Amino acid sequence: EPEVTQTPSHQVTQMGQEVILRCVPISNHLYFYWYRQILGQKVEFLVSFYNNEISEKSEIFDDQFSVERPDGSNFTLKIRSTKLEDSAMYFCASRPGTGGIVGYFGAGTRLSVL
Amino acid sequence: QQQVKQSPQSLIVQKGGISIINCAYENTAFDYFPWYQQFPGKGPALLIAIRPDVSEKKEGRFTISFNKSAKQFSLHIMDSQPGDSATYFCAASKTSGSRLTFGEGTQLTVNP
Repeated sequence: EPEVTQTPSHQVTQMGQEVILRCVPISNHLYFYWYRQILGQKVEFLVSFYNNEISEKSEIFDDQFSVERPDGSNFTLKIRSTKLEDSAMYFCASRPGTGGIVGYFGAGTRLSVL
Repeated sequence: QQQVKQSPQSLIVQKGGISIINCAYENTAFDYFPWYQQFPGKGPALLIAIRPDVSEKKEGRFTISFNKSAKQFSLHIMDSQPGDSATYFCAASKTSGSRLTFGEGTQLTVNP
């Protein structure tokens, strides 16, 4: 079964610190996504990424957030200066080319901002 | 207008029973309606999906019923098994690859 891998599973950080969440999407997939789920709330879309650029972002994805595909296998989400309200479970997902669907999400990284 | 509302929040069903989870959407531009299943410690995984040109789609024990005029869709799990115990999310998007708008999630427990 194909798998989206996320590391770390849990990240604790102090408010104002930078964090980088890492994802290894399914091999040969071309579209990449970040979603988040604040405890007790819905899963929310953050950003989609294709061909080395952001294809869509939500109103949540402000200047504090950035994404990058630094090499052929990793996809990262950086939060430049974390806030308490950034505490959430962050999910990565990927899909194949045009017409493909998002079949799997990663297990998530739980970010705790203290 | 982007919301997807899901109910119930939690559901307890006996083994062999039918589990029914309902979702309603507002945005008529939505054209793709997937259901995801999530087990503890795992990410959501696509279970079944439907487009609004059909009213029902069945895959094994899982069926999506779709009512375009009411802007509602539901997941039916027939002959529910303890292994079906998980959190189920409905979602909607404008295309199969565009951003997903999720429902609140339903925690299903199937008692043996």
